[in-house]
Amino acid sequence: QVQLVESGGGVVQPGRSLRLSCAASGFTFSSYGMHWVRQAPGKGLEWVAVISYDGSNKYYADSVKGRFTISRDNSKNTLYLQMNSLRAEDTAVYYCALGYMDVWGKGTTVTVSS
Amino acid sequence: QSVLTQPPSASGTPGQRVTISCSGSSSNIGSNTVNWYQQLPGTAPKLLIYSNNQRPSGVPDRFSGSKSGTSASLAISGLQSEDEADYYCAAWDDSLNAHWVFGGGTKLTVL
Repeated sequence: QVQLVESGGGVVQPGRSLRLSCAASGFTFSSYGMHWVRQAPGKGLEWVAVISYDGSNKYYADSVKGRFTISRDNSKNTLYLQMNSLRAEDTAVYYCALGYMDVWGKGTTVTVSS
Repeated sequence: QSVLTQPPSASGTPGQRVTISCSGSSSNIGSNTVNWYQQLPGTAPKLLIYSNNQRPSGVPDRFSGSKSGTSASLAISGLQSEDEADYYCAAWDDSLNAHWVFGGGTKLTVL
């Protein structure tokens, strides 16, 4: 069955970097666009970024543009989110999601704190 | 402040029908389809409705969606206690910086 497993979260100081990964299985990864969506503690969902099936098109939320980079390795069935210049307001659970956000992973927690 | 506007809360008693609204603009709901997600406490979101009114397999037909102009609605009939959750609408936005947008979420309480 379709499975998405996020990893790479943790506690990081403001201004530092972190890379999240999302391992995909159970479907043809290279055929689908993929998203990152985050949820701050006690808050609603915030879309972060999307990448096309072949990596040629990427779109970002204004709140992360210029700091975060979405990428993928279709040979490894893995989605990535490189997060630079992290801020306290980036603290959230980060989910990866497939296609039109029809399947979601369980999420990985990122805490930005000194 | 979210681009799509939802009421922060809704409630109903078992068996009742409740609706949750989602208001947007011409650049998102007005020109693209709407998805709805259900998030049970402590879990990841789950797709409930896609393309305005389509249910993925496994979603009960108690859940239905509709869209008119720049607004969309989610209806839940025959309300059950397990429907108590947060509900979010989402749509692609064609504005200058193309991106997906979510509603702020509606917390549904089953009384």
